[in-house]
Amino acid sequence: GAVVSQHPSWVICKSGTSVKIECRSLDFQATTMFWYRQFPKQSLMLMATSNEGSKATYEQGVEKDKFLINHASLTLSTLTVTSAHPEDSSFYICSAHAGTGTGYTFGSGTRLTVV
Amino acid sequence: DQQVKQNSPSLSVQEGRISILNCDYTNSMFDYFLWYKKYPAEGPTFLISISSIKDKNEDGRFTVFLNKSAKHLSLHIVPSQPGDSAVYFCAASFQGAQKLVFGQGTRLTINP
Repeated sequence: GAVVSQHPSWVICKSGTSVKIECRSLDFQATTMFWYRQFPKQSLMLMATSNEGSKATYEQGVEKDKFLINHASLTLSTLTVTSAHPEDSSFYICSAHAGTGTGYTFGSGTRLTVV
Repeated sequence: DQQVKQNSPSLSVQEGRISILNCDYTNSMFDYFLWYKKYPAEGPTFLISISSIKDKNEDGRFTVFLNKSAKHLSLHIVPSQPGDSAVYFCAASFQGAQKLVFGQGTRLTINP
């Protein structure tokens, strides 16, 4: 089946630094990938839609200059949390749609802790 | 505005019995619904889906029912097994928009 690999699975960084999270579709091409964020005991909230070769589409309230998304190829999308602050600590998950009838496949998620 | 709602944050069921998880939605444009299972610190795993042209879809122990007039769907798991203990999310989308809208999740605990 379709596999989405997300890396790293967890990361701890200092306030003010930037962190890059990678999301790769391993056995299919994904023109569109999605980035979600989940706070403890809350729903997965869509942050942005990553489009290969074009700018990402951000959901209302998500700062595009803080959460930089790059989708340079059909198998890789990256999310960079810039100038991270403790309130950015969260669980970030990417997903991709492998095609009609196959549904959405999620990465394993990245636990970000900003200290 | 929470377009997809799971009003029960938790549910406890005895092993072997039926688990019923509920989900309500407000946007009548949604035409595709999915259920995901999630363990802590992992990404969601797809369980089962249903199109709005159907009212029932079954896959092994999992059955999803859709009541469009009530804007309600439910996931039935029977018989429930200890490995089913997880957080279950329902999600919805509409044609032409690939993004999913998730409910808040329901934590299911199967007791031996």
